[in-house]
Amino acid sequence: DQQVKQNSPSLSVQEGRISILNCDYTNSMFDYFLWYKKYPAEGPTFLISISSIKDKNEDGRFTVFLNKSAKHLSLHIVPSQPGDSAVYFCAASAYSGGSNYKLTFGKGTLLTVNP
Amino acid sequence: DGGITQSPKYLFRKEGQNVTLSCEQNLNHDAMYWYRQDPGQGLRLIYYSQIVNDFQKGDIAEGYSVSREKKESFPLTVTSAQKNPTAFYLCASTSDRGHGQPQHFGDGTRLSIL
Repeated sequence: DQQVKQNSPSLSVQEGRISILNCDYTNSMFDYFLWYKKYPAEGPTFLISISSIKDKNEDGRFTVFLNKSAKHLSLHIVPSQPGDSAVYFCAASAYSGGSNYKLTFGKGTLLTVNP
Repeated sequence: DGGITQSPKYLFRKEGQNVTLSCEQNLNHDAMYWYRQDPGQGLRLIYYSQIVNDFQKGDIAEGYSVSREKKESFPLTVTSAQKNPTAFYLCASTSDRGHGQPQHFGDGTRLSIL
């Protein structure tokens, strides 16, 4: 049962336009959400996160929106640049017992930004 | 520079053989994690450790084993019991036992079967 879903395997946008990547989740116990960017044959790099008590977090060109009632979050990239072309993973953090927390990842969305 | 080092970058396993993937971090992080990535899939958690000499099974621990004898090291052994070991393996670490803190990843080890 997939608790974190990224329903779009790929997305293509023009340079300078907005990229919107979506993520849905089912577990109401998730309390932090994170976005990672990954290039082929490399490890993911952290982009931006949001606590479940907020509905928006912004960092430069990247903004994450959280709609708790809909169990939905999105990552907006404005303006999109060719260097943003990568796989983007949505991840959610939940308590897993003791003093432990763990992340659950979506399957990723391949973003291609065309010059 | 602080970071996470995974070695080797590529690894080949023969049938019936155990292989060990190395993960070392100099970020002074308490928590360390091992993930597996298959094509078109997200990252799936194999094992994690919040403190030295303690670790927990993740979602797909069968066929794998780990140890955490030192804070900076968290090696993963892929045993012969793992029938489909071909994948990209990622190690990560974080401070604060993972709550609300981003995990930092190494560059991965690609394991293939000979």
